[in-house]
Amino acid sequence: DTGVSQNPRHKITKRGQNVTFRCDPISEHNRLYWYRQTLGQGPEFLTYFQNEAQLEKSRLLSDRFSAERPKGSFSTLEIQRTEQGDSAMYLCASSPGAGNTIYFGEGSWLTVV
Amino acid sequence: EDQVTQSPEALRLQEGESSSLNCSYTVSGLRGLFWYRQDPGKGPEFLFTLYSAGEEKEKERLKATLTKKESFLHITAPKPEDSATYLCAVQEGSARQLTFGSGTQLTVLP
Repeated sequence: DTGVSQNPRHKITKRGQNVTFRCDPISEHNRLYWYRQTLGQGPEFLTYFQNEAQLEKSRLLSDRFSAERPKGSFSTLEIQRTEQGDSAMYLCASSPGAGNTIYFGEGSWLTVV
Repeated sequence: EDQVTQSPEALRLQEGESSSLNCSYTVSGLRGLFWYRQDPGKGPEFLFTLYSAGEEKEKERLKATLTKKESFLHITAPKPEDSATYLCAVQEGSARQLTFGSGTQLTVLP
């Protein structure tokens, strides 16, 4: 039973560049979440998918952020025109349709220089 | 707006010294309260879900309890490998996402 997989684990980018993170949820989990976490803080909700439908987006998700989940399987989170304030760990999580437990991946660290 | 407050922010214990972590919450309709453990540089690892006041769950040296306003994570005779940040999160009503507290950083000294 594989867990939630995220790639890349680490990304260093220059300000203004675009970056994309990929998440592969646990097999047969139809709910997928993206969170952002900075040092010393708990994860903050960004967006949520049920199958391929993006059902909720946080106010934290500015126009520079876009998430997709084609075919209801893996998901991508793209950040355009990165800013230093985007530096954080981006966490993906998934949950089964029938239960509430949300399982997290190991996260993707973004450093914007 | 949901609010989850964890205390203390940091806690240092000697090995074998039992203690409790607190998570207080204000939500209009609690669907579930979750505890996670997070090691440095890694994603949160699920520990427990509590659904109603009076509920308790145990796992090894950890025991989680829930009241109408707060939850406690009791750590009995901790070991150095219990050192981590412990995160509390709530799920409200029909919402599927979690709202997290800032965590308690636990250090257990040998």
